Amino acid sequence: QQQVKQSPQSLIVQKGGISIINCAYENTAFDYFPWYQQFPGKGPALLIAIRPDVSEKKEGRFTISFNKSAKQFSLHIMDSQPGDSATYFCAALRMDSSYKLIFGSGTRLLVRP
Amino acid sequence: DAMVIQNPRYQVTQFGKPVTLSCSQTLNHNVMYWYQQKSSQAPKLLFHYYDKDFNNEADTPDNFQSRRPNTSFCFLDIRSPGLGDAAMYLCATSRGPEAGESYEQYFGPGTRLTVT
Repeated sequence: QQQVKQSPQSLIVQKGGISIINCAYENTAFDYFPWYQQFPGKGPALLIAIRPDVSEKKEGRFTISFNKSAKQFSLHIMDSQPGDSATYFCAALRMDSSYKLIFGSGTRLLVRP
Repeated sequence: DAMVIQNPRYQVTQFGKPVTLSCSQTLNHNVMYWYQQKSSQAPKLLFHYYDKDFNNEADTPDNFQSRRPNTSFCFLDIRSPGLGDAAMYLCATSRGPEAGESYEQYFGPGTRLTVT
């Protein structure tokens, strides 16, 4: 129940294409869903986050789509650039009772020039 | 810039030789976390402090200890490092649940630990 399942494990996209990464969760008590971007040798950095009362959130080229009934959320990267090549982690958290981010397994994205 | 700082960035230690990693923050956040991240894996939470309250994850080995002498600093002590402890160690901070909509965990750059 505490797991967050992330797919795909790796993704190759051409420059200008759309990158889509999917996550699914079981625990309906989760109420905060962030996406982290991590470059090699660096710590994860928050990219974008969503609460379950919103179905979509967009920040620049990055969009989270959230489907509460299906218990799924996804990250869309529009106009993908080589600089977006990184590992992306989805995560989930219960904000009222836990400080523990439950991470997905990660997706390694490569954007080809 | 307010930030999470980790020192050293790279640490080499010998098998069984105690090592201490340090983290400091200028964000004045209540909560500080230590994660272990092995290659191609998600960060794994070892423990966290909410102010001075220490919270250990059930599967964190006894070999790992932590100290938080004040709001700004937190240390990770590995008492007898084994080869399996070689990893990236990440420190993170956040406000507590009272942050509500503005909750975010800020990660430091990590310390890469090598055990020889």
